[in-house]
Amino acid sequence: GAGVSQTPSNKVTEKGKYVELRCDPISGHTALYWYRQSLGQGPEFLIYFQGTGAADDSGLPNDRFFAVRPEGSVSTLKIQRTERGDSAVYLCASSTSPDRVNEQFFGPGTRLTVL
Amino acid sequence: ELKVEQNPLFLSMQEGKNYTIYCNYSTTSDRLYWYRQDPGKSLESLFVLLSNGAVKQEGRLMASLDTKARLSTLHITAAVHDLSATYFCAVIQGAQKLVFGQGTRLTINP
Repeated sequence: GAGVSQTPSNKVTEKGKYVELRCDPISGHTALYWYRQSLGQGPEFLIYFQGTGAADDSGLPNDRFFAVRPEGSVSTLKIQRTERGDSAVYLCASSTSPDRVNEQFFGPGTRLTVL
Repeated sequence: ELKVEQNPLFLSMQEGKNYTIYCNYSTTSDRLYWYRQDPGKSLESLFVLLSNGAVKQEGRLMASLDTKARLSTLHITAAVHDLSATYFCAVIQGAQKLVFGQGTRLTINP
């Protein structure tokens, strides 16, 4: 079946601009996660949704970052007033539910470059 | 704060040899995950280890978990070039979020 999809695959923007990154999880997966991966590092947690609500947003670095999942499926990560330090690959993952196994399946990522 | 450390960070080995990647974590957890990442690609789930003493094998890869020692190992047997990739371990914090190690970049030379 179809995996997690993310659009765009690449996004180049200028410092100070606003960007939106989209994630379409695996059908039927109620849990959705955003991570950020800098070059040569492991992914870092940003936010977790269970259904429509953000159950844990402790990883969002500051108030320029915001994410929504209004209908419990597709999610959008929004970054305001982008900074060069925001450049990274943004990964989305989904899982069937936050049960004991909680195997998270990752999408291909969006590579964000802030000039 | 949960910290996850992998060792080594870089590993270059010859085909046919055996080697082990180590993953240590700092606080109690009974769930550990191994992922593979090819250059420019996303993460592929390899193993989910859910209890102390868990061992899972897939082809030339075998993963184990010792929750008392807070240690997981990923053992590679008779390595082949196709296994060249970056391998990450990750530990669950709380109920949902994964905390990843730095990754081990594995290069297997003919």
